[in-house]
Amino acid sequence: GQNIDQPTEMTATEGAIVQINCTYQTSGFNGLFWYQQHAGEAPTFLSYNVLDGLEEKGRFSSFLSRSKGYSYLLLKELQMKDSASYLCAVRERPYNTDKLIFGTGTRLQVFP
Amino acid sequence: DADVTQTPRNRITKTGKRIMLECSQTKGHDRMYWYRQDPGLGLRLIYYSFDVKDINKGEISDGYSVSRQAQAKFSLSLESAIPNQTALYFCATSAGQVAQPQHFGDGTRLSIL
Repeated sequence: GQNIDQPTEMTATEGAIVQINCTYQTSGFNGLFWYQQHAGEAPTFLSYNVLDGLEEKGRFSSFLSRSKGYSYLLLKELQMKDSASYLCAVRERPYNTDKLIFGTGTRLQVFP
Repeated sequence: DADVTQTPRNRITKTGKRIMLECSQTKGHDRMYWYRQDPGLGLRLIYYSFDVKDINKGEISDGYSVSRQAQAKFSLSLESAIPNQTALYFCATSAGQVAQPQHFGDGTRLSIL
């Protein structure tokens, strides 16, 4: 079956670091995406991992372990504008179907 | 201007009505998708299309139909709307290459009374 798990909610303080975890069990794997979604708005692309390891993009980093079916999104130097939902999505094989399976998202609240 | 445009942005209608949601894009992407988003359920794929002649059902296609009028236009229809189709609907596009993400429109908030 297909299953993607993320914590429902997290809170953190401005300036801190937060790690949002995602575990997945899918019938195949061909890449994992992280999206940010502010309330009532469109999801916007943050990062993509297909090989094991860490991808860094400014304040945001994403890690993947394919053998463990695990990813995390790391947000550093948190700002109030980082308050949003963060969606983990897995693309199954074959990659040219380009279908994404989304987790239910993690709502992050950043406090002053 | 937005690369992926959805119309209308909000719609309130009654049970049994026929509704069409439209999506147009200027990104030049071949692949287009329709999702719905419900609280606690995440984004679920309704239909997707890889070109004008290609239409595929997604996870939850019952009660919906689509039309790919041109490379840039992909519309979603609810033939006879029911209250449990109340949701936030998103259109997305992608170039279909390995590391390329899907790009989402701003969404249509649909309420069926």
